[in-house]
Amino acid sequence: EVQLVETGGGLIQPGGSLRLSCAASGFTVSSSYMNWVRQAPGKGLEWVSLIYSGGSGGSTYYADSVKGRFTISRDNSKNTLYLQMNSLRAEDTAVYYCARALGVHGSGSSGYYYYYYMDVWGKGTTVTVSS
Amino acid sequence: DIVMTQSPDSLAVSLGERATINCKSSQSVLYSSNNKNYLAWYQQKPGQPPKLLIYWASTRESGVPDRFSGSGSGTDFTLTISSLQAEDVAVYYCQQYYITPSITFGQGTRLEIK
Repeated sequence: EVQLVETGGGLIQPGGSLRLSCAASGFTVSSSYMNWVRQAPGKGLEWVSLIYSGGSGGSTYYADSVKGRFTISRDNSKNTLYLQMNSLRAEDTAVYYCARALGVHGSGSSGYYYYYYMDVWGKGTTVTVSS
Repeated sequence: DIVMTQSPDSLAVSLGERATINCKSSQSVLYSSNNKNYLAWYQQKPGQPPKLLIYWASTRESGVPDRFSGSGSGTDFTLTISSLQAEDVAVYYCQQYYITPSITFGQGTRLEIK
């Protein structure tokens, strides 16, 4: 069975750091495109970060709201995706979901990209940034 | 970024009746080279993660009941539930993937039973 399980959330003070983990089973993280998506309390969905598959170069991308503070990575030996979150702010408070991205490659206005939707989601882990 | 706007924000439909949710994008998500619309729909039940229902605007994900259908092209899209069941109570989101990697979602539409 294809499954994603997130861990690592918790209560953290503003300015602090946290690392989220997403353990995959039933498929290989290294050969997949993987995302983090978050949902603030009572709000909608916000894309956070994407990592390309290893075979496609492993490029990483971030939403402007987290660029320079968050880092997406993976450990192929553990089949696990990570999100390192530094300099946390109150507005980072949310449920963080990891999700597998599925789609196609194609040419965009400024390069060659992966166009994707998300077919497998974890249950999420809650991050609360508060003093 | 492409702004996705759903309507209505919430709706209540009687069991067995049709439910229609609309999604409008601020620019076309139709990719001319392959004539595909880069739009997906998700269902999120309370306390659960989103679940993929529809991709390429009208392709149903495996295992999704055929009462769910997607339609539309360019900037205007619709998710239709042909005969509402109790288990369909949820928030529904559209998502564009025409501009990537900065995919964007609609604000969500809450569907309830009348």
